Amino acid sequence: ILNVEQSPQSLHVQEGDSTNFTCSFPSSNFYALHWYRWETAKSPEALFVMTLNGDEKKKGRISATLNTKEGYSYLYIKGSQPEDSATYLCATPQNAGGTSYGKLTFGQGTILTVHP
Amino acid sequence: IAGITQAPTSQILAAGRRMTLRCTQDMRHNAMYWYRQDLGLGLRLIHYSNTAGTTGKGEVPDGYSVSRANTDDFPLTLASAVPSQTSVYFCASNPGTGSVGYTFGSGTRLTVV
Repeated sequence: ILNVEQSPQSLHVQEGDSTNFTCSFPSSNFYALHWYRWETAKSPEALFVMTLNGDEKKKGRISATLNTKEGYSYLYIKGSQPEDSATYLCATPQNAGGTSYGKLTFGQGTILTVHP
Repeated sequence: IAGITQAPTSQILAAGRRMTLRCTQDMRHNAMYWYRQDLGLGLRLIHYSNTAGTTGKGEVPDGYSVSRANTDDFPLTLASAVPSQTSVYFCASNPGTGSVGYTFGSGTRLTVV
């Protein structure tokens, strides 16, 4: 079982603040790193899937970076809005010999609350 | 709308009873997964299927079984429910590669009493 760690566990910010959180994962046999947003009473929704060291992806005010050599990814939210309040999950596939059918191991998530 | 349908949405079940949670997708995804979500433990993989006709055990498979008779359906069965199986269950799918994000169903909230 892979060890995927996220920090912090929870975060409270004011509307308009920029924020970021971290996902750590094993750097050996890396295949891909996923980020999901999970709003209360809904199901997780894929934000990004990154596969290359140095990858940077952006979706509106949310962006993510990837460092596969040291085994971490950052998720950034610029100018947080109350609708950004959610749990943000990262996950990585359990790799087997360079291929992966995509069995994801998830971190426990970072709960973000944006106060108006 | 393409996606995953889970049923039921919620269920209260007496301990010892058998229960099947249904999951159907219409995206022709090869791979399907069942996760349970528990407070403080995040999402944990119960069983998975890489393609129709094959299944495999995840991190927490005990007490659960699955089948994959066709591409679209991936039911999860609790043969004899126990209170520790109280959880929210999510079905997910993807085309079968770790470089594509999952599509999740809306979840089934199961309470075993």
